[in-house]
Amino acid sequence: DVKVTQSSRYLVKRTGEKVFLECVQDMDHENMFWYRQDPGLGLRLIYFSYDVKMKEKGDIPEGYSVSREKKERFSLILESASTNQTSMYLCATGGGRGHNQPQHFGDGTRLSIL
Amino acid sequence: AQTVTQSQPEMSVQEAETVTLSCTYDTSESNYYLFWYKQPPSRQMILVIRQEAYKQQNATENRFSVNFQKAAKSFSLKISDSQLGDTAMYFCAFMNRKTSYDKVIFGPGTSLSVIP
Repeated sequence: DVKVTQSSRYLVKRTGEKVFLECVQDMDHENMFWYRQDPGLGLRLIYFSYDVKMKEKGDIPEGYSVSREKKERFSLILESASTNQTSMYLCATGGGRGHNQPQHFGDGTRLSIL
Repeated sequence: AQTVTQSQPEMSVQEAETVTLSCTYDTSESNYYLFWYKQPPSRQMILVIRQEAYKQQNATENRFSVNFQKAAKSFSLKISDSQLGDTAMYFCAFMNRKTSYDKVIFGPGTSLSVIP
């Protein structure tokens, strides 16, 4: 089974802090994704990566950046956290070209910005 | 651009009864996948069922089945013999087969409560 591990289930940070959310996968998947999940809005794509050091903006990239230095790890960075970034953050992976597998998700990180 | 709509934000069903969750989508593509994902309270999102658009036969996984109406762009999920463990958020999702990046578009979700 694919295992997608997010570093924290719950996180509390202060406004203006730089926040790192980490995601690690163990299935050698090419594609990795960061979403935020808010009630009534479903999952919205922040950024995704299709290879090491490659990244693409999703639908709501403002205020976020990402890093993928190794294939198995994809980090989401809130450069200067704000209260409107309080949300559930989900990491997911996908098998890549020719696979068309559904995405596999981590447990999520519930982030609160005070 | 593709969009996915779930018109029922919340639903409830008695244990052992049958419930149907609605989903509609909009796309100009002809070759795509549709999915239903389940997210139990405080637990991981998992795939429930998937449908390939070129297949006319509706997908079935145990108590879960879909009614795929391609012309109407409708993809509903039927849960038979509902169990307490079916209580969860359910997301309908779309993926274009042409994409190489597994990008999936999700609907806003339906919160299903199974009542004992």
